[in-house]
Amino acid sequence: GNSVTQMEGPVTLSEEAFLTINCTYTATGYPSLFWYVQYPGEGLQLLLKATKADDKGSNKGFEATYRKETTSFHLEKGSVQVSDSAVYFCALSDRGTGGFKTIFGAGTRLFVKA
Amino acid sequence: DTEVTQTPKHLVMGMTNKKSLKCEQHMGHRAMYWYKQKAKKPPELMFVYSYEKLSINESVPSRFSPECPNSSLLNLHLHALQPEDSALYLCASSQVWGTGNTIYFGEGSWLTVV
Repeated sequence: GNSVTQMEGPVTLSEEAFLTINCTYTATGYPSLFWYVQYPGEGLQLLLKATKADDKGSNKGFEATYRKETTSFHLEKGSVQVSDSAVYFCALSDRGTGGFKTIFGAGTRLFVKA
Repeated sequence: DTEVTQTPKHLVMGMTNKKSLKCEQHMGHRAMYWYKQKAKKPPELMFVYSYEKLSINESVPSRFSPECPNSSLLNLHLHALQPEDSALYLCASSQVWGTGNTIYFGEGSWLTVV
């Protein structure tokens, strides 16, 4: 079945540091890939997405490239801010036996210190 | 307007109570979802409605009863819940049900079963 594996957190960085959160997936079909972010006390919101191999999603300085050969969708940002502190979920959407489903990785909590 | 509105934000109910969670979106989306999220865990899909028809029920216990009265509204009726059902319940919607579609989440309803 489909699955998403992302690096365990928490990840603690100083402001302006480089961020990488690893995400790999297993899928039987041709999934779309997403990064969602959840700020404290809120629901999830889309950060970026890519719908086919070699697509790069980007938003607010974050980016991720859909790598089919390594089944990965790693999230990167060149310079993090305190306001980036949140939980980041990698997700895939694909058609399975029961229909279309979006499944989420376990989430990676990011703390950014001033 | 990219908003999914959920009420109530917080709900405390006894194990013999009957209550409902409500969700509304006015983005013209034709797919709506209920997810359950426990603390420090990713969201888990419960139900999917596509064009007001129940399309996925992820083997959810019958004490949870979804209802989609029209394309803008989604309810989750709760009856005889257990303390382990305490969680954040997230409503979400997407333009249509399928891969590649961004899922828009509400802020959630925090449910405590006593």
